[in-house]
Amino acid sequence: AQSVTQLGSHVSVSEGALVLLRCNYSSSVPPYLFWYVQYPNQGLQLLLKYTSAATLVKGINGFEAEFKKSETSFHLTKPSAHMSDAAEYFCAVGNAGGTSYGKLTFGQGTILTVHP
Amino acid sequence: DGGITQSPKYLFRKEGQNVTLSCEQNLNHDAMYWYRQDPGQGLRLIYYSQIVNDFQKGDIAEGYSVSREKKESFPLTVTSAQKNPTAFYLCASSIEGTGELFFGEGSRLTVL
Repeated sequence: AQSVTQLGSHVSVSEGALVLLRCNYSSSVPPYLFWYVQYPNQGLQLLLKYTSAATLVKGINGFEAEFKKSETSFHLTKPSAHMSDAAEYFCAVGNAGGTSYGKLTFGQGTILTVHP
Repeated sequence: DGGITQSPKYLFRKEGQNVTLSCEQNLNHDAMYWYRQDPGQGLRLIYYSQIVNDFQKGDIAEGYSVSREKKESFPLTVTSAQKNPTAFYLCASSIEGTGELFFGEGSRLTVL
């Protein structure tokens, strides 16, 4: 079984400030981990993914995340927020290996607000 | 451009009616999925298909049905048995072994 907990349903930052979105996971097997972003009334777009290679993963739009096995965390960060980063962010976990395909388990989502 | 096309984008339905949401992909992906999204609940898996003519129930399959007659197509029918069908529905596909999902733009269903 696998699960994801995103800490904080809403995060608000000032433009230029650090963005930190928290994600903790639970998985009985080595996980694949993902962050997706969703803009209003649109589908989800992949930001970055961890698939057991480097623990620090860089994604699009200046985002990165670090896989910490001891803490079962995969927090998303960006050094300097931009107004265009305002969206909803989802953390997801899948099983590494086997025929897991895209049976991802998603967190509840975190809405990021960026104010001037 | 390759991608996933969902239609219609907005759909209104009266109680007691079945509706079918279309999902077509030209990415040549084997696996396809339907997720339901409700505010504050993330995405929940309805059905998935790893190969043509085969599909499996996800976590919330009651009141839904699917078919997979072609690799490119995975339509979802929301039946009258679904008690709370108003939601945003997302179709996705994936490449075998990667776990990465590619999403369509979604279909918003509202029951009047």
